[in-house]
Amino acid sequence: DTGVSQDPRHKITKRGQNVTFRCDPISEHNRLYWYRQTLGQGPEFLTYFQNEAQLEKSRLLSDRFSAERPKGSFSTLEIQRTEQGDSAMYLCASSLTVLGLARETQYFGPGTRLLVL
Amino acid sequence: DQQVKQNSPSLSVQEGRISILNCDYTNSMFDYFLWYKKYPAEGPTFLISISSIKDKNEDGRFTVFLNKSAKHLSLHIVPSQPGDSAVYFCARVHEKLTFGTGTRLTIIP
Repeated sequence: DTGVSQDPRHKITKRGQNVTFRCDPISEHNRLYWYRQTLGQGPEFLTYFQNEAQLEKSRLLSDRFSAERPKGSFSTLEIQRTEQGDSAMYLCASSLTVLGLARETQYFGPGTRLLVL
Repeated sequence: DQQVKQNSPSLSVQEGRISILNCDYTNSMFDYFLWYKKYPAEGPTFLISISSIKDKNEDGRFTVFLNKSAKHLSLHIVPSQPGDSAVYFCARVHEKLTFGTGTRLTIIP
């Protein structure tokens, strides 16, 4: 399967703990995006990378959140000192950007569902 | 702030009939949109796209229409099948995606 993969699929943690999620994009894709979806809402943008460079961060991404894509391939999203409000589905997507156009289709992984108790 | 709105939270359609899902957007310099379908506990699956150079794009049972003057787009599914039951999102593309809140489509056998 050459689609976007995410690990773990589910995570239950206690408030105050740190969690880390991993995303492996489609291999030839140079852009990688993180989104968060809560019940009844559409996915909301968190941050994105082109290769290893983090190009934009949403104001939703508080200082407890950090994302990396060290070698321009997989990415990790870490949440420190989790809060109950962090409970959501965390989605990763990837796309191939050619000539810097901003109109590429993004392909999503299955998501990581986080529950903070 | 660029907004994308889906004003119908749910829609029920008889199997075999046409499903029409609607989406409105506020002023945008870059009119390029995607439709996604999402099942529970899965990531969104890309369905079809449309850009401002077109009024219509068709792919099998799925057709998307763009009315630039009304800032409105719609997704038509015909004929509707039970497997089409899911939540449908429209999204505006400009680097990141800006999603609507989704419409839950239920196909009644």
